[in-house]
Amino acid sequence: EPEVTQTPSHQVTQMGQEVILRCVPISNHLYFYWYRQILGQKVEFLVSFYNNEISEKSEIFDDQFSVERPDGSNFTLKIRSTKLEDSAMYFCASKGQRETQYFGPGTRLLVL
Amino acid sequence: AQTVTQSQPEMSVQEAETVTLSCTYDTSESDYYLFWYKQPPSRQMILVIRQEAYKQQNATENRFSVNFQKAAKSFSLKISDSQLGDAAMYFCAMNSGGSNYKLTFGKGTLLTVNP
Repeated sequence: EPEVTQTPSHQVTQMGQEVILRCVPISNHLYFYWYRQILGQKVEFLVSFYNNEISEKSEIFDDQFSVERPDGSNFTLKIRSTKLEDSAMYFCASKGQRETQYFGPGTRLLVL
Repeated sequence: AQTVTQSQPEMSVQEAETVTLSCTYDTSESDYYLFWYKQPPSRQMILVIRQEAYKQQNATENRFSVNFQKAAKSFSLKISDSQLGDAAMYFCAMNSGGSNYKLTFGKGTLLTVNP
């Protein structure tokens, strides 16, 4: 059964550094999403991506963040100049039939 | 804007018993979709069950079923014959076309299964 994959599973970085989180959505899906979950909190929407452009973004998704689909399979989230408060689990998801989103295993980001 | 409320931060159940997790929501959309996701300690988000709002029949998936009350905007999850592997955080979520199908989540209910 196809699944969403994410790399790396864990990422430790220093404050101010740039990180790139990678996702491979399910191949025939057209909508892609990034969510984040700060430890102990609920899952929050960051951005949705359709037809090679951002379709919606949350207020969290400021100029520090960017997304792209560089090669037709990967879907990346870049965080520039990371802050301590960016430490969270980041989930990629893709939407299939019946408007259902399937999540990747997540990337745990720790900013020191 | 859509909101999802889970009023039970924690629940516990004895193995083999039945437990119901509550969820209420609010939306101005007429066409929307409701989901329950399970998050075990590994923190992966696993789809448990989905319900289309236009369907009156409650969804079932093996030991998992929902009680969907559209007028009351309620969407509870019933787990029958609870197993130790059901212990996890459970999130209620919804999406709609008017919001690019982005998911709005509740705060979650931590389910403990006692042997």
